[in-house]
Amino acid sequence: DTAVSQTPKYLVTQMGNDKSIKCEQNLGHDTMYWYKQDSKKFLKIMFSYNNKELIINETVPNRFSPKSPDKAHLNLHINSLELGDSAVYFCASSQGQGAIYNEQFFGPGTRLTVL
Amino acid sequence: QKEVEQNSGPLSVPEGAIASLNCTYSDRGSQSFFWYRQYSGKSPELIMFIYSNGDKEDGRFTAQLNKASQYVSLLIRDSQPSDSATYLCAVNIAPSSNTGNQFYFGTGTSLTVIP
Repeated sequence: DTAVSQTPKYLVTQMGNDKSIKCEQNLGHDTMYWYKQDSKKFLKIMFSYNNKELIINETVPNRFSPKSPDKAHLNLHINSLELGDSAVYFCASSQGQGAIYNEQFFGPGTRLTVL
Repeated sequence: QKEVEQNSGPLSVPEGAIASLNCTYSDRGSQSFFWYRQYSGKSPELIMFIYSNGDKEDGRFTAQLNKASQYVSLLIRDSQPSDSATYLCAVNIAPSSNTGNQFYFGTGTSLTVIP
């Protein structure tokens, strides 16, 4: 069974379009995250949700809007796509309760290419 | 974005040698520290974590933590070509039951093990 899954795996679209990436985890975790990884491999946190509540929103443009319908899902909607949005987007999850030894489990990534 | 810094490399070592990867962090509230390995085109996978000062060994890997110097390192003994990957350092800052675990990543170090 896949622990953290993302769809789609690849997304190619034109500038100005709106697109969504879906993430689901079946680990029973309370915290979910979205990361953006650029071509230099820097993994930058965008959002984190704990028990469906937004915790981190790291200077991300308003064009990015996360939505967590329940603890197992955290979707990312992007409006008016720009060339600079091209990257690999990773979803991750972690057990809650804030234990310091909790690791993150990552999805396979979604490679977004904006033309 | 909390500051977590790594030498971007690339770091090249011959097969069988020790590879040393370093990471510094700025937030003294950081509670635990994780090393992830990421192969090209894949998602990060956990190697090991540490949260107490000193050394922690797991097979060929040793993590070292010095909270006073805000420094964490990863040593890979008997390096193998299969260890060639990007290594990401992550810190978990001030986790709590309300916010969950908040992870911030360094820029990654590219390691190449030469046969």
